[in-house]
Amino acid sequence: SQWGEENLQALSIQEGEDVTMNCSYKTYTTVVHWYRQDSGRGPALIILIRSNEREKRSGRLRATLDTSSQSSSLSITAAQCEDTAVYFCATEGTTSGGNYKPTFGKGTSLVVHP
Amino acid sequence: GPKVLQIPSHQIIDMGQMVTLNCDPVSNHLYFYWYKQILGQQMEFLVNFYNGKVMEKSKLFKDQFSVERPDGSYFTLKIQPTALEDSAVYFCASSPYWGSQNTLYFGAGTRLSVL
Repeated sequence: SQWGEENLQALSIQEGEDVTMNCSYKTYTTVVHWYRQDSGRGPALIILIRSNEREKRSGRLRATLDTSSQSSSLSITAAQCEDTAVYFCATEGTTSGGNYKPTFGKGTSLVVHP
Repeated sequence: GPKVLQIPSHQIIDMGQMVTLNCDPVSNHLYFYWYKQILGQQMEFLVNFYNGKVMEKSKLFKDQFSVERPDGSYFTLKIQPTALEDSAVYFCASSPYWGSQNTLYFGAGTRLSVL
């Protein structure tokens, strides 16, 4: 498997709290994508962090990437009910032939209570 | 934003029958993907497709699976014959470019139930 055991997770928090989701991977990647998937919908990209970036921010989202430990995190500041979703990280999954096949982790189910 | 449409949203069929899942990708996109997601689990790569050809397929892409996009119409995933273990949600995605800096745009998925 490309992924560490700790990727499968369920989190339940109160509105206004901060939350951090973690992702570890085993194979080389130059970028980590974070997607969110709302119930009954397909995943949608929310933030992308490249290997030359240690941190990336977008609104209330903050992604980090540590290529030495092959891990990434996604933090949400002051979570809101509408942040309830499943969050996936994805690596590039590039094969030896240079083929690109984005490969997803197991995801974190986040529920934000009012 | 750009939308990928998948038709139908839910398909119920008997084991052994053929099924075709349809995907209408974003109009100017050139690269297409199918993923399989069993309830509560991660999305698994099946296949990617460009210029009328399969670029790469995973071990999950069994001999019973095939993809095509005839004349720029729907990008389809056909399963013939279906098996019980094919029950899952199948997501189609498209992207305008190739490479890891690229964003994939996903459809809402087709839930396939094989009885």
